Amino acid sequence: EAGVTQFPSHSVIEKGQTVTLRCDPISGHDNLYWYRRVMGKEIKFLLHFVKESKQDESGMPNNRFLAERTGGTYSTLKVQPAELEDSGVYFCASRLAGLYNEQFFGPGTRLTVL
Amino acid sequence: TQLLEQSPQFLSIQEGENLTVYCNSSSVFSSLQWYRQEPGEGPVLLVTVVTGGEVKKLKRLTFQFGDARKDSSLHITAAQPGDTGLYLCAGPGFRRGGATNKLIFGTGTLLAVQP
Repeated sequence: EAGVTQFPSHSVIEKGQTVTLRCDPISGHDNLYWYRRVMGKEIKFLLHFVKESKQDESGMPNNRFLAERTGGTYSTLKVQPAELEDSGVYFCASRLAGLYNEQFFGPGTRLTVL
Repeated sequence: TQLLEQSPQFLSIQEGENLTVYCNSSSVFSSLQWYRQEPGEGPVLLVTVVTGGEVKKLKRLTFQFGDARKDSSLHITAAQPGDTGLYLCAGPGFRRGGATNKLIFGTGTLLAVQP
């Protein structure tokens, strides 16, 4: 069974441009999470989807970030306009329903904003 | 604010040596998890500890959850080059009403095992 996949693996953009990251969760996983690690810091939670609904978006840094999960399958995270401090690695994770089920992480998208 | 501090940040040892990595917090966690992450990959779950004082073993890795559920340790016996990687502890975030599913990650310990 395929794991969590993310696209692209790397993205280099200039400040002010728009970037869209995509995450395909494991099939059948209703729960989808976005996390981010910026340079030198720990991985931090951004938001949590249950199917197509945003369950918790308390970690979203500001309104330049927009996450969607239309149809409850794949998710996109758009940054518009990108700023230098948005550089980092963006991880997606998915999980089956059930409180103690494991989150499976994708390989991440490394975003560099110049 | 829930924080997880890991120590040491970096560790370089020779194959065959033993080591311990620590994960500490001033907050109580309902459970703690340990992950290993390799370059270009996402974190991979190694173990979840749930009960204060719990000890779990995974081959040469021994995980312990503190009695007060504020800290955890990972001990590796006879380290091998294949153990090289970034070790992360993580616990469920907490908000009014109980634990959530979002994970609070530690600061990480980068381990290098030299052959």
